[in-house]
Amino acid sequence: GQQVQQSPASLVLQEGENAELQCNFSTSLNSMQWFYQRPGGSLVSLFYNPSGTKHSGRLTSTTVIKERRSSLHISSSQTTDSGTYLCALERNAGAKLTFGGGTRLTVRP
Amino acid sequence: DMKVTQMPRYLIKRMGENVLLECGQDMSHETMYWYRQDPGLGLQLIYISYDVDSNSEGDIPKGYRVSRKKREHFSLILDSAKTNQTSVYFCASSSDWGFNYAEQFFGPGTRLTVL
Repeated sequence: GQQVQQSPASLVLQEGENAELQCNFSTSLNSMQWFYQRPGGSLVSLFYNPSGTKHSGRLTSTTVIKERRSSLHISSSQTTDSGTYLCALERNAGAKLTFGGGTRLTVRP
Repeated sequence: DMKVTQMPRYLIKRMGENVLLECGQDMSHETMYWYRQDPGLGLQLIYISYDVDSNSEGDIPKGYRVSRKKREHFSLILDSAKTNQTSVYFCASSSDWGFNYAEQFFGPGTRLTVL
């Protein structure tokens, strides 16, 4: 089965609402990365988070290794947050990433 | 300006034709990658290149080959393209593949349709 599973597959919010995106993995990891994919394709790295909690503006990433999960919290969502959020598991120190299927977020004004 | 470029951005080919996708980066990164993205499957690693002429298969290399003759260029080649190779292809690069974190920078993608 899939090594990295993301939920929900899609999410619709009203501007200002918060979002919690989940990533569960079934194998050991060296690190977990979160990416944002703009409508139209290009990917931007959001977090490299092997464990614990990291913050960047309105975004917070938390990885709990023993529970094999990572989450991305978006607070006070904005319409410009719309797009697809991908988590990716780095299985070992060889830089190969295994991606989840993504969460498609739509933030309505 | 740190950048990964991909050419072409859109391509339509017939089954059996050869396909060449080009990727360039201006950051002198050692490591470069080719991924494909299909709906609901995230990105899947096709090939990884650790430097010039130092390439390694990813998770789905079948039907693809790569060429890296200069550090800043990485090509993906489909010999006799198949309809199931219709996808969006992403190139990425990073500065270190070893035991340290290496942020991957992605290109804008190439949308390939094989008829």
